[in-house]
Amino acid sequence: AQTVTQSQPEMSVQEAETVTLSCTYDTSENNYYLFWYKQPPSRQMILVIRQEAYKQQNATENRFSVNFQKAAKSFSLKISDSQLGDTAMYFCAFMKGAGGTSYGKLTFGQGTILTVHP
Amino acid sequence: KAGVTQTPRYLIKTRGQQVTLSCSPISGHRSVSWYQQTPGQGLQFLFEYFSETQRNKGNFPGRFSGRQFSNSRSEMNVSTLELGDSALYLCASSFPHGLAGGQADTQYFGPGTRLTVL
Repeated sequence: AQTVTQSQPEMSVQEAETVTLSCTYDTSENNYYLFWYKQPPSRQMILVIRQEAYKQQNATENRFSVNFQKAAKSFSLKISDSQLGDTAMYFCAFMKGAGGTSYGKLTFGQGTILTVHP
Repeated sequence: KAGVTQTPRYLIKTRGQQVTLSCSPISGHRSVSWYQQTPGQGLQFLFEYFSETQRNKGNFPGRFSGRQFSNSRSEMNVSTLELGDSALYLCASSFPHGLAGGQADTQYFGPGTRLTVL
């Protein structure tokens, strides 16, 4: 079974600064996807970024980028130029690739509460 | 394009009752997954449906069931409610792998249904 671990229950950062959230995972699969989702106080789960395991290039989406270290099974999220609207719970999630019987299943970490201070 | 919608947004039930939650996926998405979110257990996968078939199921008792209709809308049902079923229930839709190229399997979430069992 896959496990996802987020070792930082809470983080804080000043507006306009950079913050990195950590995530490690455990799997024997070679084909999989990794995601970061944010859940603001509204509880709406919002996709932040996605990474395919077969891609060596780290994914980026505007101010959000990841550091994907496949051998180390590490998948950290860097938020640059932090904004007040980035305040949310951030979840790291794992999904097996195509095939097998694990259709449509995301395995989530415990989450990191990020607070951006003005 | 409209996002994933869930109804109702809030529900209050008493122990022993049953409840039905509804999820309408993004237009064109045919896979629907359901999750339970609680403070103690975090986000846990319930089941996934594609083409009216349950393809995957999480580790929940048989009181939790679901179905999917030909228009991809999905419902989940919880019978004989227990206090511990109080949670935020999230559904997510996606293109299943093999369709829609690089965005296959990326799940987009609805706003959730907050269920309170008294």
